[in-house]
Formats: sequence, structure tokens, C-alpha cells
Amino acid sequence: EAQVTQNPRYLITVTGKKLTVTCSQNMNHEYMSWYRQDPGLGLRQIYYSMNVEVTDKGDVPEGYKVSRKEKRNFPLILESPSPNQTSLYFCASCSRGTTRLGEQYFGPGTRLTVT
Amino acid sequence: KQEVTQIPAALSVPEGENLVLNCSFTDSAIYNLQWFRQDPGKGLTSLLLIQSSQREQTSGRLNASLDKSSGRSTLYIAASQPGDSATYLCAVGKGSSGSARQLTFGSGTQLTVLP
Repeated sequence: EAQVTQNPRYLITVTGKKLTVTCSQNMNHEYMSWYRQDPGLGLRQIYYSMNVEVTDKGDVPEGYKVSRKEKRNFPLILESPSPNQTSLYFCASCSRGTTRLGEQYFGPGTRLTVT
Repeated sequence: KQEVTQIPAALSVPEGENLVLNCSFTDSAIYNLQWFRQDPGKGLTSLLLIQSSQREQTSGRLNASLDKSSGRSTLYIAASQPGDSATYLCAVGKGSSGSARQLTFGSGTQLTVLP
């Protein structure tokens, strides 16, 4: 089954404790990205990757890092989490088929709480 | 900077009604537009993808239209059912094929279909 998976699904942590949220897709997509969703602000892009070893900032990259060493994986790293990073996080990947260029597939989400 | 607005923010209808959800965007130079469905506590499911050269797309009881020049899209749901209750999100892809995967989201319309 074609899917985007994220782990963990729920995470409660404390300020300053480094954490990583993993994302993996099995569709051989070149493009992957991370979004955060906050009430009243909608979904905002954090980082994206056009291919292995190619990453770039989205609209709200501060406080986050990413890496893309393998095509299928795109982890999100919070080196020193703060309470304002409490949010619902989504990973997405994108098809390159000519008829459905740009169609994005989303993971189930990771709910992060930083206390 | 692209801004995407969805009206209304919430909508409640009786089962069986036809309904229209609205999406507007400020920059008409888009590559594509995608409608998603989000169920509580779950990820986003892609419903329809419209490329900038297209006027509409249909899938079952759903029909999405796109008017780039006026910066508008509508999602039409025919014969609504309680199972259609969810939040519907509109997202536009940036204007070039290379960056089309960078989506800007609206805040969504929360739909409730009453039995």
C-alpha cells in the first residue's frame, strides 16, 4: 500500500530536549516536505526537499532542521524544542506523474507537545 | 505572498443537500490547486487536483472548479452524507513546475452533515 508514515504519532517532551520525528514514504517520490498545523494559522511549510541531499527552507523554518540522506526518508529534527513548537506536524511527499504532477500525499500527523 | 482564504469557516447542512465550499487566492500565477479532506486526529486525504490549465475535475459526488483569472475555486458536494463530515482544505501550488510542490493552504471549512 502506498503511504507516508510518521513516528511517533504523539510526543510529549520538555524544553531543550532534542528530538527527531521520522518520515518515510514508499512511493519513490523525489519531493518531500514538512508542515505544521496550528489553530487559526492553517498548515505552514517548514522545510522541503526536492531530492536526496537537496533541502530548502519553507515559510517557518526557525528552530527546525532536516536531512535527506535517502530518497524514502525525511526526518525532522528539533535541536532545542520550545513551547511555541507545540503543534501538529505533517510530512508529505509528491508524485511526478505527468497527469498528476504536484499531487501531494500526507502522513497521519505527529502531535507534539513541548512543556 | 500568496494568501488563500476559505469561506465559510464552518458549515452545517442536513443530509442530502448539495453544497458548495469556496476558496480564493490572491496570486493567480498558480501551478495547480488541490482539495483535501481532514478528519479529526488524522492526516490529509487528497480529493481532487486541478492543474492550472484545467477548469474542473470530478470524482464521484465531488466536483472542483478553477477560475485562475478571478483567483477562485469551488468544491461542489452532491447529495451530502454524514460521512462527508470533515474539514475541507484548499491548497495552491506555486507558479512554476519546479516549485509547484510548495503548497499554500487555506484555513479550511469544517463541514457537518446532519442525519
